[in-house]
Amino acid sequence: DIAMTQSPLSLAVTPGEPASISCRSSQSLLHTNGFNYLDWYVQKPGQSPQLLIYLVSTRASGVPDRFSGSGSGTDFTLRINRVEAEDVGIYFCMQDLQIPPTFGQGTRLEIK
Amino acid sequence: QVHLVESGGGVVQPGGSLRLSCAASGFSFSSYAMHWVRQAPGKGLTWLAFIRNDGSNEYYTDSIKGRFFISRDNSKNTLYLQMSSLSAGDTALYYCVRGGVGFRLYYWGQGTPVTVSS
Repeated sequence: DIAMTQSPLSLAVTPGEPASISCRSSQSLLHTNGFNYLDWYVQKPGQSPQLLIYLVSTRASGVPDRFSGSGSGTDFTLRINRVEAEDVGIYFCMQDLQIPPTFGQGTRLEIK
Repeated sequence: QVHLVESGGGVVQPGGSLRLSCAASGFSFSSYAMHWVRQAPGKGLTWLAFIRNDGSNEYYTDSIKGRFFISRDNSKNTLYLQMSSLSAGDTALYYCVRGGVGFRLYYWGQGTPVTVSS
């Protein structure tokens, strides 16, 4: 199975400041079609996870443009350019290149 | 609006069985692949199983192969997970998830809790 490793596991950010979460995979997530199969999910307090970003950088429907994703191969980053209070939650990366899809451990984002 | 409602969770003794259901509405159920994902208390997410829209293919993570079986009834807009030989390690919140392209997880239900304990 492809192992996914996130860092940091927690971070506290002042509203209006940026935040960045790293995700590394044990194997390249680059498909022969040229796309990297890396998604980001967020689980807000008391809620189910929801799709945030797919194929590294495509925002899911309704996701604000302060969220962006980048990376290729084995190294990926989720950025929030101005954190808001509603962004509190646990952020997970997930690879869906190979079966089984595997998740990172999650990064808990808190507001200072 | 996509709506997924899981049911069937509860407390079961080690070695026991349980069948989870997921009632889907708000979309054409028979057009979409479906998944089960679980989250152990205070832990991360584990993908469990996938079934194609027409039920023609299934995939499982190794830890549940031979113990859990995913199925669907498109006439009832319902997804199932039959679980057997349960152990404490299966204690988790079980989510039903609508798929789409590849193995991407588009919409999640609220989950049904399963506790394996004597």
